[in-house]
Formats: sequence, structure tokens, C-alpha cells
Amino acid sequence: DAKTTQPTSMDCAEGRAANLPCNHSTISGNEYVYWYRQIHSQGPQYIIHGLKNNETNEMASLIITEDRKSSTLILPHATLRDTAVYYCIVRVANRQLTFGSGTQLTVLP
Amino acid sequence: DADVTQTPRNRITKTGKRIMLECSQTKGHDRMYWYRQDPGLGLRLIYYSFDVKDINKGEISDGYSVSRQAQAKFSLSLESAIPNQTALYFCATSDLELGKDTQYFGPGTRLTVL
Repeated sequence: DAKTTQPTSMDCAEGRAANLPCNHSTISGNEYVYWYRQIHSQGPQYIIHGLKNNETNEMASLIITEDRKSSTLILPHATLRDTAVYYCIVRVANRQLTFGSGTQLTVLP
Repeated sequence: DADVTQTPRNRITKTGKRIMLECSQTKGHDRMYWYRQDPGLGLRLIYYSFDVKDINKGEISDGYSVSRQAQAKFSLSLESAIPNQTALYFCATSDLELGKDTQYFGPGTRLTVL
């Protein structure tokens, strides 16, 4: 599975959009981009995933660049409860998840 | 997610003791996983099972064993616990038939080996 690079930490003001970047320059054509988050010591929670097209669900939007070498997770209106570690994972479908260190997002009041 | 439960939630034990962590799920998923997480690090896969008759080693299986007693139950055992197995342990399930192979995690078991 392709390696991902994420910033160690980010801050965001409450009510504003949180944009979390992820670089995956070695991604191959059959690898998906997944995002999970982990709120302090709880089990990780699935957020969204995509292959080529941008995706949106009730939690977030995923923007994948045309060359697929990077992506951005967007939380449109961040709340204090969105404070968590966000993991960007690139993998082939049916393969195991490999969690890196992720990005610690802190939403500030 | 209440659909995936883990017992116990916290456990303190001594070096050399045998420990079993249990995971149950009501999601009807075929696939189950055990991960461990050390402070400040991401999760690492210990074992996984794609169905009752299937067991596979993950990234860090040494010192651990598992049992898939039924579709809904997947247990992790530490045969002889050692201090560096002190960690947060998560069970997860997934169902490829959903088309996403999304994993759903339990609340975790905090294990301390003295």
C-alpha cells in the first residue's frame, strides 16, 4: 500500500471549515483513499473514502486531485466534537488498514 | 459503536499471566480484526479473520493468538503477558458485501502488564 504524509497537527476555529491535507504520491491505480478519525482513545471511526472522484457524505467531503497524488478532507463546519486524530489511509480494496500517525486536529472555540 | 463490544474494558495483570480479550459483534459481519495502539502511535494489526475458518497473522502477531469461536466472536489471547504488551487493544469488523469494506471499531480494551 502507498505511503501517506500528513501534517502532525492543525488548528481550526469552531464553525469554520477544516481542510486536512494528505499526500500519497506513490498511489497506484487500484488504491482507494480512506479517512478515519479517532477521538481521544476511542475506537477509530470511518469518515469517507474515494478512488478518483470527489465524494461527499453527511460527515465530510473528500477532494482528490486529478493525478491522485494528494487529497483533502473537508469538514465544512467544524465543531469542538471534531477535535480528533485524523488518519489518511491508502490501500487496495480488501487489504488491511495501515494507520500512520495521522493529523491531530484541534477545533478552537 | 455499540454494535462491537469488547470485554474487559480495562485490565491490569502481571508478567507471565495468560490473558484473554473478547470481542463480540451484532453487525453480522464476516471479517474481524484485532489491533493494538501504543501511546502517540497509530494502530497496528495483530490478527484478522475473514470467516470462522480463516485466521491470518497481521503485522505484529508474535506473543498473541486468536480464536474465532463464531461469526460474532473473536478472542485475542496473550499466552504469557509481558510489560511491552501494555497497550490499547481494538477489535474491528467489516463486511465486504457492503461494497465499501469499511471497518467498525469497538471501544477498546486498556491492558496494563506489570
